[in-house]
Amino acid sequence: KAGVTQTPRYLIKTRGQQVTLSCSPISGHRSVSWYQQTPGQGLQFLFEYFSETQRNKGNFPGRFSGRQFSNSRSEMNVSTLELGDSALYLCASSPGTGFSNTGELFFGEGSRLTVL
Amino acid sequence: QQPVQSPQAVILREGEDAVINCSSSKALYSVHWYRQKHGEAPVFLMILLKGGEQKGHEKISASFNEKKQQSSLYLTASQLSYSGTYFCGTEDGGATNKLIFGTGTLLAVQP
Repeated sequence: KAGVTQTPRYLIKTRGQQVTLSCSPISGHRSVSWYQQTPGQGLQFLFEYFSETQRNKGNFPGRFSGRQFSNSRSEMNVSTLELGDSALYLCASSPGTGFSNTGELFFGEGSRLTVL
Repeated sequence: QQPVQSPQAVILREGEDAVINCSSSKALYSVHWYRQKHGEAPVFLMILLKGGEQKGHEKISASFNEKKQQSSLYLTASQLSYSGTYFCGTEDGGATNKLIFGTGTLLAVQP
C-alpha cells in the first residue's frame, strides 16, 4: 500500500513569490492535515481537510491556504513568501472522522521550502 | 497551548531506560506519541485514551494521568533504533484530526 506522497520534496523560492505544495494521501483516506515544522516552533498545525471541506485551521495568516479535491488529494498554497516561511511542510492523512476511530496520522516525508 | 515536554534532550547507552514527559495546561482527551528520525517523517507510536485504553507500540509503554494533564513515555532497554525526536500530541476533541504537538524530546542512543 503506497504511503503519503508529497511533491515537490525540495524547493527554493524568493521573498514575495508564491508556492503550491501537493499531497496525495493513502488510498481510501479522506482526511488530510498540513503541518509546518521549524527548529524553533516545532510542529505547528496549519489546517485539515475532510471530504473537500476545511474542518479546522491553525493560527497562520491568510497567506496560507489549502484545498482538497474529490479524490482526497490536497494542495496548500503560500502567497507573498517571507523568509520566516522557510520550513518543512508535512502532510498527514488518516481514514476519517476523529482520533477515537483511527488513532493514527500517516505522515509524508514533507516538502522542504527555502525562502531566500 | 503547546504541550511542554521534558527533558529537551537525553543521551543513553544501549540497554538503558528513559522517560519522556508531556504536560499540558489544557484538559486532555487523549495523548498521542510520535517518533521522528532525522530526515524522515514522524511515525505513530501510540495513542492513550481516557479511561486507560492504549493502542500502539509493543515495546514502548506510556501512561496518561488525566487529572494532572500529563503523559509519560517509557523506553526500556533502549536500542539504537530508538534514536530520534519524540513528540507528544494532544487533540482538541471532536471529530477532527487536529493535533497540537509538544516541544519535542531528542533522544540519542549510543552503542
